Amino acid sequence: SQTIHQWPATLVQPVGSPLSLECTVEGTSNPNLYWYRQAAGRGLQLLFYSVGIGQISSEVPQNLSASRPQDRQFILSSKKLLLSDSGFYLCAWNNDGHEQFFGPGTRLTVL
Amino acid sequence: SQQGEEDPQALSIQEGENATMNCSYKTSINNLQWYRQNSGRGLVHLILIRSNEREKHSGRLRVTLDTSKKSSSLLITASRAADTASYFCATAPQAGANNLFFGTGTRLTVIP
Repeated sequence: SQTIHQWPATLVQPVGSPLSLECTVEGTSNPNLYWYRQAAGRGLQLLFYSVGIGQISSEVPQNLSASRPQDRQFILSSKKLLLSDSGFYLCAWNNDGHEQFFGPGTRLTVL
Repeated sequence: SQQGEEDPQALSIQEGENATMNCSYKTSINNLQWYRQNSGRGLVHLILIRSNEREKHSGRLRVTLDTSKKSSSLLITASRAADTASYFCATAPQAGANNLFFGTGTRLTVIP
């Protein structure tokens, strides 16, 4: 069966520090991968999606970047965090069936 | 924006009652999906309804879709305290990649 992992689960970082959030998927090949951000009490904002290794599409201009170094690995990064980067970050995958499967999320607090 | 909007933003009902949540969207869609999110957790897919379908059932869930009004509703029958969560609709655009556009969610509280 397929599983999706995200880590860390929670993270507290100072403004200006770098960020690296990792997402990995098991049990499937060539998944579409997605990074979302969810502000407190709000809906999901799609940040990046990838249909293959090295293929990244960005939905909104921002302080973040994404990379897909391996088929089932998706990384969200920042060189210098801003206060506004705080939020709940969710990784998801699917295989062209439209239904998406979400990871447990990472709670990021930037102080 | 292609994002959907749920209504109401928050709903509080007694256990055993039915809960109805609505979603409106703006562009043509391939399908519409409903997801559930427990507080501080990831989203879980509940049900998908295609643009050529009008109604779909899954257990205690009933989803309707009216493409002429660009709206959908999610009905949870005989609610339980465990149904307490946020519910999101998400639309898949007619053309393009597998992106989903999520609404802002309805926070459902079921009082035991």
